[in-house]
Amino acid sequence: EIVLTQSPGTLSLSPGERATLSCRASQRVSSSHLGWYQQKPGQAPRLLIYGAYRRATGIPDRFSGSGSGTDFTLTISRLEPEDFAVYYCQHYGDAVRTFGQGTKVEIK
Amino acid sequence: QVQLVQSGADVKKPGASVKVSCKASGYTFTGYYLHWVRQAPGQGLEYLGRIDPNSGATNYAQKFQDRVTVTWDTSINTAYMELNRLMSDDTAVYFCARDNEPATGNFGAFDIWGQGTMVTVSS
Repeated sequence: EIVLTQSPGTLSLSPGERATLSCRASQRVSSSHLGWYQQKPGQAPRLLIYGAYRRATGIPDRFSGSGSGTDFTLTISRLEPEDFAVYYCQHYGDAVRTFGQGTKVEIK
Repeated sequence: QVQLVQSGADVKKPGASVKVSCKASGYTFTGYYLHWVRQAPGQGLEYLGRIDPNSGATNYAQKFQDRVTVTWDTSINTAYMELNRLMSDDTAVYFCARDNEPATGNFGAFDIWGQGTMVTVSS
């Protein structure tokens, strides 16, 4: 089973700043099967990025994904107030899916 | 519109079973894999398993292999997740979610989520 490790655990930033979130896989994965989700308190997760860099429907272009092999990155170019949330990466290249443990982006 | 609507909150005693439903609408139910994910209070997302609503084939995370069963009823576009031998650690919000790729052998991310069902296990 592929294990995803996200870092940092918490990111403290101010609105307008750039956020860089990391997701590392325990073994090489296809970039076609790496996604990112945003979750706010009391809500279901929302798909942001799939296929490592493809934005889901309705996702603003300040969100971008990159990476390959074992190292993937979610970048938020300029944080808006509504972007402060928890972010999860996911590998979906197997029938059984796996999630990273999450990165919380909080207001500094 | 495309949506998944789950059953309401439930409270169970340790050792009991719980069955959560997930009703799909707005798309061809048999065309997309349907997954189950849970989230304990203050914790991250944990994958339980999936069903192919076309064939009924299932796959489960190893941790839950002997306790979880996912079934479906295509006549009412509804999937079910049953978890047996409940423990206090099973207290969580349970989500269903749909693949964003058709179930033709491709694997997709989860583009549509249910609203979540809170299951509390307490004596």
